[in-house]
Amino acid sequence: QKEVEQNSGPLSVPEGAIASLNCTYSDRGSQSFFWYRQYSGKSPELIMFIYSNGDKEDGRFTAQLNKASQYVSLLIRDSQPSDSATYLCAVKGTSGGSYIPTFGRGTSLIVHP
Amino acid sequence: ETGVTQTPRHLVMGMTNKKSLKCEQHLGHNAMYWYKQSAKKPLELMFVYNFKEQTENNSVPSRFSPECPNSSHLFLHLHTLQPEDSALYLCASSQDSGLAGARGETQYFGPGTRLLVL
Repeated sequence: QKEVEQNSGPLSVPEGAIASLNCTYSDRGSQSFFWYRQYSGKSPELIMFIYSNGDKEDGRFTAQLNKASQYVSLLIRDSQPSDSATYLCAVKGTSGGSYIPTFGRGTSLIVHP
Repeated sequence: ETGVTQTPRHLVMGMTNKKSLKCEQHLGHNAMYWYKQSAKKPLELMFVYNFKEQTENNSVPSRFSPECPNSSHLFLHLHTLQPEDSALYLCASSQDSGLAGARGETQYFGPGTRLLVL
């Protein structure tokens, strides 16, 4: 059974700091990795995806993937109160031919002024 | 607002009622999904349709019955639900559930239906 683990938090950081969110996964065959942001009472929205080992940057967001260690992380630089939300990690692999993503429980991030 | 719409946004039903949730996507996608999101639990995949064909049924009880008449519309028919079925039901779509690569894999979620079963 494929598992995706995230610390539920909450992770509390001051405004302007770097928020670091981590995700580990069990399926070594996983190939695609996604970070979604979900505000309270709203639906998830895609922030970033990553496929290759290393870093991928998009504005204030950086996704980091290490397939050997089976973890993917999301860094948020210059955190803003508007970044306060739950961040969901999703992992897709090809086990059994399924391309369906497995989601983690999400990490709650609080950015305080 | 996303290209995926869901109605109703809120629903209260008794255990003997029959109701349906509707999802419509305006993105030209071929794959549609139903997820259940309960408090403190990960998103649970329920059903996947790809090109109108059901490709995944994640051991969902028969009191939930999906219907996909075309690639743009997805329904979830509900009957004799239990209080533990109360949750946020999310619809999502993607280009194609069988494609690798961001273009095929990225899922776009609707706003969800908040369901309360009494």
